[in-house]
Amino acid sequence: QVQLVQSGAEVKKPGASVKISCKASGFTLTSYHMHWVRQAPGQGLEWMGIIKPRDDQINYAQNFQGRVTMTGDTSTTTVYMEVNSLTSEDTAVYYCARDFHWSTDYWGQGTLVTVSS
Amino acid sequence: QSALTQPASVSGSPGQSITISCTGTSSDVGGYYYVSWYQQHPGKAPKLMIYGVTNRPSGVSHRFSGSKSGNTASLTISGLQAEDEADYYCSSYTSSDTWVFGGGTKLTVL
Repeated sequence: QVQLVQSGAEVKKPGASVKISCKASGFTLTSYHMHWVRQAPGQGLEWMGIIKPRDDQINYAQNFQGRVTMTGDTSTTTVYMEVNSLTSEDTAVYYCARDFHWSTDYWGQGTLVTVSS
Repeated sequence: QSALTQPASVSGSPGQSITISCTGTSSDVGGYYYVSWYQQHPGKAPKLMIYGVTNRPSGVSHRFSGSKSGNTASLTISGLQAEDEADYYCSSYTSSDTWVFGGGTKLTVL
């Protein structure tokens, strides 16, 4: 069955970077695009970007251009997202999700990133 | 890209129907049939309820339906049940080849 398993919670200091992984199983990663979405505590969903692992084509939301890097490793069926120059406003649960007809059908369990001095 | 506009909260009694609106622009909701709706219970990942404006994924109750008119999409839940109490988010593909979410609507079943 389709599964997206993300890496565990992280605690980072302001100015640091964090890299989150999302391992896919149960489907062929190269056949799907993968989204990243975040949700700050008590807030709504925020779309961050999309990666197309087959050809590494990537689109970032304007808010994250230059500070977020998405990559994919088809050999390990894993996609990654790195966020640089963290601030307290980056404290959130980060999700990966599989694209499905311009929506998202399967989601990872989420990775909580806490930014605190 | 600004967030799509949703009401902050809606409520209804069991058995009733409710509708949640999602207003965007001609560059997102109005320009494409790529509006989706998600249900999120506290502490859980979002669940896809509607995609392509009107389509239900396998396993989603027929009580959930979607529509669109101009720049506004809508999610209707009929025969409200206690388990429907959750946050609901709309999302749309945009002309920038990006996606945007609505601010979310909290549904309370009275």
